Amino acid sequence: QSALTQPPSASGSPGQSVAISCTGTSSDIGAYNFVSWYQQHPGKAPKLIIYEVNERPSGVPDRFSGSKSGNTASLTVSGLQTEDEADYYCVSYAGSNKVFGGGTRLTVL
Amino acid sequence: QVQLVQSGAEVKKPGASVKVSCKAYGYTFTDNGLSWVRQAPGQGLEWMGWISTHRGNTIYVQKLQGRVTLTSDTATRTAYMELRSLRSDDTAMYYCVRDKKHSLDMWGQGTRVTVVS
Repeated sequence: QSALTQPPSASGSPGQSVAISCTGTSSDIGAYNFVSWYQQHPGKAPKLIIYEVNERPSGVPDRFSGSKSGNTASLTVSGLQTEDEADYYCVSYAGSNKVFGGGTRLTVL
Repeated sequence: QVQLVQSGAEVKKPGASVKVSCKAYGYTFTDNGLSWVRQAPGQGLEWMGWISTHRGNTIYVQKLQGRVTLTSDTATRTAYMELRSLRSDDTAMYYCVRDKKHSLDMWGQGTRVTVVS
């Protein structure tokens, strides 16, 4: 199973919005609405921020939103804050296994 | 407190085996399966496999088939990941993660495994 494709980096200034894409295939993202997104700060375990394409766990700010179109999912971070600087990973269910994206480093300028 | 607590760091020689434990607190252990995810230094996350803590059935990523075994003990609410025939590229942080409807909603603190001769 090939990894999902994410841009290696993204950036934005405080207050701006940034979108991170995650491209898969018709066997993973395109087939299921089980796309999730994770935020990882250096030296920390990842944290779930979006599940089932566009649902937010309790406690995650509504500045984080998710969407999907065809074989591509997207994470949008609105109103960027300095604490949003982190690595972001997408994951999709793929029929029995899970496949991760390679990760995107978000820099808040 | 709802959490997953993993065993401590390990240093192993190439060819050896390692067994990492993951103990669940604060929720019904058999309500959700557990996935294992690893992260090599400076690299991205890699899904290794999944175990049903209710039935014990497992799914493994193809590249690790034959080298990894996931088990769980409902009496002690503990899951285990054993990786055999260790190589230098198995050096990584290993995470157990609660798998709730295909999202990974709670992560253990991680166990660092270093393979060095």
